[in-house]
Amino acid sequence: DQQVKQNSPSLSVQEGRISILNCDYTNSMFDYFLWYKKYPAEGPTFLISISSIKDKNEDGRFTVFLNKSAKHLSLHIVPSQPGDSAVYFCAASYSSASKIIFGSGTRLSIRP
Amino acid sequence: KAGVTQTPRYLIKTRGQQVTLSCSPISGHRSVSWYQQTPGQGLQFLFEYFSETQRNKGNFPGRFSGRQFSNSRSEMNVSTLELGDSALYLCASSLDWSSYEQYFGPGTRLTVT
Repeated sequence: DQQVKQNSPSLSVQEGRISILNCDYTNSMFDYFLWYKKYPAEGPTFLISISSIKDKNEDGRFTVFLNKSAKHLSLHIVPSQPGDSAVYFCAASYSSASKIIFGSGTRLSIRP
Repeated sequence: KAGVTQTPRYLIKTRGQQVTLSCSPISGHRSVSWYQQTPGQGLQFLFEYFSETQRNKGNFPGRFSGRQFSNSRSEMNVSTLELGDSALYLCASSLDWSSYEQYFGPGTRLTVT
């Protein structure tokens, strides 16, 4: 039972355009959401997070949007750069549990 | 500050054998979590340790076990290896059990033949 789903295994975006990565979740108890970025042969690195009391969080070129009623979050990258090519993992957790549930990842490729 | 280190980086074992993986967290971090990454499955939570105690466990068989030492270093053991155990095993550390942001090591690539 996948509680965090990333339905697009891959995404290709032109450099300079907006990249939108989507994530759906099923557990309404989740109250904290995170995005991680992973390059080959490296561990995932934390990118940005959002608490369930917010619907938007911005950090430079990265913005995460949360739609609690739809149990959906998205990561926007504007403008997309070649170095953004990586696998992006969506993750969720809830305060009474210490484990973080990850999605299956979306491979983002930025083309020139 | 040194990051999370994992040893070994690569490992090849045969079915039925057992394996031990090691993780050294960032200095000062007391919580260590382990994840298994396989193609198409994303990162699946194995277990989390804090102050030498297992706080949480994922849905993996009892062949997967772990422990944490007083210096916060952690080991993960898999006994009676199966082909399906071939995966990248990632360790992540955080300041304490309530920290959401985790810092990952590079992983140990285990191949079971």
